[in-house]
Amino acid sequence: GDSVTQMEGPVTLSEEAFLTINCTYTATGYPSLFWYVQYPGEGLQLLLKATKADDKGSNKGFEATYRKETTSFHLEKGSVQVSDSAVYFCALLGAGSYQLTFGKGTKLSVIP
Amino acid sequence: DSGVTQTPKHLITATGQRVTLRCSPRSGDLSVYWYQQSLDQGLQFLIQYYNGEERAKGNILERFSAQQFPDLHSELNLSSLELGDSALYFCASSVDPGNKLFFGSGTQLSVL
Repeated sequence: GDSVTQMEGPVTLSEEAFLTINCTYTATGYPSLFWYVQYPGEGLQLLLKATKADDKGSNKGFEATYRKETTSFHLEKGSVQVSDSAVYFCALLGAGSYQLTFGKGTKLSVIP
Repeated sequence: DSGVTQTPKHLITATGQRVTLRCSPRSGDLSVYWYQQSLDQGLQFLIQYYNGEERAKGNILERFSAQQFPDLHSELNLSSLELGDSALYFCASSVDPGNKLFFGSGTQLSVL
């Protein structure tokens, strides 16, 4: 079945550092890929998405490119802020599926 | 605010008991999803409804059941509770299956 593997956390970075959170997936066909973010005490929010190979999703300075050849969708940000501290979830929606499959989440802490 | 309302926010109960979690989706959203989030299992899909009908079922135990009512709100019933059922239960909604999900803030269930 479909699955998502993302890097283990927690990740601690200093403000303005470069962020990469790795995500790889296993799925049949051509899934859509997502990054969701969960701030403390809140539900998940969609951060960005990509629906086909080579698409780049971007939002709030975050980017991720759908790489079918490496089955990856790594999340990057050039300069993190303290307000980016949250848990980040990679997810996929399989072709013909109605529900998302999530990775286990990566907790990011940004220190001033 | 995602527009998805979950009640109660916190629930403390004892083993063997039964509880009901409630979810009101965003106005206009026909799909409702239930997820369980725990430290060891991550975010697990439980069940999905679309316009009152069950659409997809994930890792939902037989002790758990759900339904979506004509006014589109949904309830998740958990019975014969065990310690391991302690988790954060999220409801999410979308306009239609496969579309962007909007998550509620969750119900934190503690089984003592």
